[in-house]
Amino acid sequence: DVKVTQSSRYLVKRTGEKVFLECVQDMDHENMFWYRQDPGLGLRLIYFSYDVKMKEKGDIPEGYSVSREKKERFSLILESASTNQTSMYLCASSTIRRGMNTEAFFGQGTRLTVV
Amino acid sequence: AQTVTQSQPEMSVQEAETVTLSCTYDTSENNYYLFWYKQPPSRQMILVIRQEAYKQQNATENRFSVNFQKAAKSFSLKISDSQLGDTAMYFCAFTGGGNKLTFGTGTQLKVEL
Repeated sequence: DVKVTQSSRYLVKRTGEKVFLECVQDMDHENMFWYRQDPGLGLRLIYFSYDVKMKEKGDIPEGYSVSREKKERFSLILESASTNQTSMYLCASSTIRRGMNTEAFFGQGTRLTVV
Repeated sequence: AQTVTQSQPEMSVQEAETVTLSCTYDTSENNYYLFWYKQPPSRQMILVIRQEAYKQQNATENRFSVNFQKAAKSFSLKISDSQLGDTAMYFCAFTGGGNKLTFGTGTQLKVEL
């Protein structure tokens, strides 16, 4: 089975802190994604990566950065956490078939609270 | 830009009944995948069903089936013989040639006794 593991299930951080959310997948998938989930807004794409050291902005990249130094690991960084970044964060990975993403496999989510 | 719209924020159904969740999307691409995901209270996102746009036959997985209307850009999910364990948030998602995976805002389904 594909496994996508996020480093924390719950996090509480202070305003202004630098926050790292880590995600690891074990299926050699090319693509990895970070989403933010808020009630009524669904899943919004923050960043995605289609290869090591490659990244593309999603729909809401402001206030976030990412790092992909190894194929299996994709990190989301909040350079200076703010209260409006309190949310559920979901990591996902997928492979490529016929030139397109296949279905994504998700981690268990990290509920981040910024106080 | 690709968009996915789910116009039903909440729905409820009686156990053993059938319910249909709606999804529409917008794209200029000719080939793509569409998905329905389920997110129960445990928060783990689970793939329910997948449809490739070039396949005319609607996908089916046990009690779950889709009605894929390519020309209308519509992709609805039908759940037959609803069970209490089907209570969850359901998300429609789209992916095309650009590696991006776009989700709708979700439909909260409640199955009642």
